[in-house]
Amino acid sequence: QVQLVESGGGLVKPGGSLRLSCAASGFAFSDYYMTWIRQAPGKGLQWISYITSSHVVTYYADSVKGRFTISRDNARNSLYLQMNSLRPDDTAVYFCARYVVEPPAAYPDYWGQGTRVTVSS
Amino acid sequence: SYELTQPPSVSVFPGQTANIPCSGDKLGDKYACWYQQKPGQSPVLIIYHNTKRPSGIPERFSGSNSGNTATLTISGTQAMDEADYFCQVWGTTAMVFGGGTKLTVL
Repeated sequence: QVQLVESGGGLVKPGGSLRLSCAASGFAFSDYYMTWIRQAPGKGLQWISYITSSHVVTYYADSVKGRFTISRDNARNSLYLQMNSLRPDDTAVYFCARYVVEPPAAYPDYWGQGTRVTVSS
Repeated sequence: SYELTQPPSVSVFPGQTANIPCSGDKLGDKYACWYQQKPGQSPVLIIYHNTKRPSGIPERFSGSNSGNTATLTISGTQAMDEADYFCQVWGTTAMVFGGGTKLTVL
């Protein structure tokens, strides 16, 4: 079955950096777009970024553009999110998800359990 | 940027039908999805392409989308359905989620 396992979260000071990882299994990873979505404590879901299957194209939400970088290693079945210049409002649980693109529809169908990022001095 | 609006909360008695609306400009022209999230868990896809259910999702969950409103309907609501529900579409340049609706089974 599809499994997505995030890691790399933790406590970081404002202005610091973290790299999140997502290990995928149970499906042909290289065939799928992938995405990161976050959820601040007690809040709703916010899309952050997605990457195409061949990692040629990437998209970012305005709130993280220029600070976060999404990437993938299809040989390792892994997705990454490099987060720089972190701010307190980046505090959230970060989910990786498999992203189904069937124009005009596009939606995440399987989600990992999430990894918690706390930005605080 | 595109926005989706959901009521913060909906209440329903066990066995009754719950309707959770999601509104957005010309939402009926888009394909809506719905996710269920229970406390401490990750979201689960329960409706995609407006009306389709992934395998394993009970038949009591159904969706519709017309005009400016998509609706998640839960027929014969059970206590286990108490959760947060989020709608989602692909907006003009980004994935967009509604703010979420907390369903309380009284």
